[in-house]
Amino acid sequence: ILNVEQSPQSLHVQEGDSTNFTCSFPSSNFYALHWYRWETAKSPEALFVMTLNGDEKKKGRISATLNTKEGYSYLYIKGSQPEDSATYLCAFRWNTGRRALTFGSGTRLQVQP
Amino acid sequence: DGGITQSPKYLFRKEGQNVTLSCEQNLNHDAMYWYRQDPGQGLRLIYYSQIVNDFQKGDIAEGYSVSREKKESFPLTVTSAQKNPTAFYLCASSIQGQGNNQPQHFGDGTRLSIL
Repeated sequence: ILNVEQSPQSLHVQEGDSTNFTCSFPSSNFYALHWYRWETAKSPEALFVMTLNGDEKKKGRISATLNTKEGYSYLYIKGSQPEDSATYLCAFRWNTGRRALTFGSGTRLQVQP
Repeated sequence: DGGITQSPKYLFRKEGQNVTLSCEQNLNHDAMYWYRQDPGQGLRLIYYSQIVNDFQKGDIAEGYSVSREKKESFPLTVTSAQKNPTAFYLCASSIQGQGNNQPQHFGDGTRLSIL
């Protein structure tokens, strides 16, 4: 089992703050890195799928970067809002062996109004 | 609307009993997956299937079984051999597109508890 590490485990910010979290993954045999948002009482929702080193993706106030050579991805939220409160999961797929994702344990974000 | 339906939402199992969790999708996705979540942990892969009549073990397959007789259905059976079945179970599906780097779509989950 490959390790996918996310940090921090949880984060409390004030409305309007910008924040970022990290996903670390094995730098060899990279295939794809996924980010998902999981709000309480809902199902996880895909944010980004990233495949190329240097990739930057953006969706509204949320953006992500990817560094496959050093094995990390950052997720940024600009001007956090209470509705951004959720657990953010990253998941890694490598290019050998099984065609499935390995998930990190997530970063739980709480945005205080 | 297209989506993934998991049932039931809550399930209780007696000791020594097998139970089956249902997962149905009408997204016409080829691949389907079962995950388990325990408190403080991420999603752990139990089984996955990329095509009808074929499936592979994930990281924690012991005590579980699956079938994939139809494209839209991927039921998970939690057998009596699974000694710690209390958890939240999520089903997902994805397109088997070129490069196979498509996002996964998730159901709402089933919470299984032991009586």
